[in-house]
Parts: sequence; C-alpha cells; structure tokens
Amino acid sequence: NAGVTQTPKFRVLKTGQSMTLLCAQDMNHEYMYWYRQDPGMGLRLIHYSVGEGTTAKGEVPDGYNVSRLKKQNFLLGLESAAPSQTSVYFCASAGNAETQYFGPGTRLLVL
Amino acid sequence: KQEVTQIPAALSVPEGENLVLNCSFTDSAIYNLQWFRQDPGKGLTSLLLIQSSQREQTSGRLNASLDKSSGRSTLYIAASQPGDSATYLCAVPTSGSGNTGKLIFGQGTTLQVKP
Repeated sequence: NAGVTQTPKFRVLKTGQSMTLLCAQDMNHEYMYWYRQDPGMGLRLIHYSVGEGTTAKGEVPDGYNVSRLKKQNFLLGLESAAPSQTSVYFCASAGNAETQYFGPGTRLLVL
Repeated sequence: KQEVTQIPAALSVPEGENLVLNCSFTDSAIYNLQWFRQDPGKGLTSLLLIQSSQREQTSGRLNASLDKSSGRSTLYIAASQPGDSATYLCAVPTSGSGNTGKLIFGQGTTLQVKP
C-alpha cells in the first residue's frame, strides 16, 4: 500500500515549456486535491476533484489544468510554465472529504 | 472569507517541556478542524481531526482542543522530544465548501526541540 505518490520528485523547466505532474493513490479515495506551497503564502488549493471524471477550481487555478480520467490518478498540467509557478506541489486524497493524505511533493523550478 | 492564523511562527524549546501551539480562525461555522505535521522536504501528515461536536482529541502525547465560539484551537504536546521538531499546521474547511473537503491552512508553527 503506497498511499499517495507523486511523479516527478523534482523538475526544472524553462519559461514557456509544458509539463504534467502525476498523482496516484491506491486507497480507492473519491476526493483528490492539488496544492502549491510557497514561503510566506502557505498551502493553497489549485484544483480538486470529488470523483472520477470531475474537476473543479480551487483558490489559485490560473495557469493550471487538471484531469481525473481514472479514480486513482489526478494529473496537473502546466501548458506554458512561468517563473511564478516555481513552487512545491502537493497532491492529497481523501476517502470521506475529511482526513487528507498527502504525497511527498514535487519541486518545480521554472527558469 | 475564512482565514486561519497560527502564532507563533516559530518556537524553540528544550527537550521535555510541555508546549501549546495556537490556531485561530475567523468563521466559526466549521464542521471540523485538523492538525498536520510537516517534516522538512516532506509532505503533510494528519495528526488529529476534531469534529465540531467534540471539544478535544488525543493521540499519544498530543492533545488538540477546539473552541468554535471563540474561533480557536490548541495543540498540546506533552514531554516534547527532538523528534517532535517539525512544522505544525492547522486547517479548517473553507466557508460554504459543502461536502468537498476543501481546506484553508494556517501558515504553520515551526517547532524546534533542543536536546
């Protein structure tokens, strides 16, 4: 039982490049979330999903897209990376919209 | 709009000391509150979840209390150990979030327990 895993662990992008962050959970959770964590700003919700095939915007959705084609996976896409998207990205999942289980994070540097 | 504040931002104590971390929130209409721990370079780990109907929850040396009317929660750590060194975050559901589980996090208190 791996819990929540995130791929990749670290990535460097140039401005304008695109990439996809993958979150996978093996706990059969309905709810999944993408956060970013920045110094002085704390954790902020980017997008979330309340079930397979559903997605919704969080607090800071601009510049990101998501997809939940399979229940166990939640993908976060950056179509045209900007330096302001340099951050640590965390994925979380929850079975009952209460206790959230977090992945180890992806560190993204946009030059 | 719900806001969550944690004071102090950092705390350093000698090993063995009992300590209290504070969390305050502006909208008392919450149905639960969670405390998380984050080690450097790691993800968050849920420590305690208190339902709105509860006053406190305990797990080992940790005790979390909730006072909805005053918009406050405290995390009490007994007999602190160097292994307790980490950042502690509290989180509450966003106002009007319904059954989505969306959370608003405080900025966290970074605790250092010195041997």
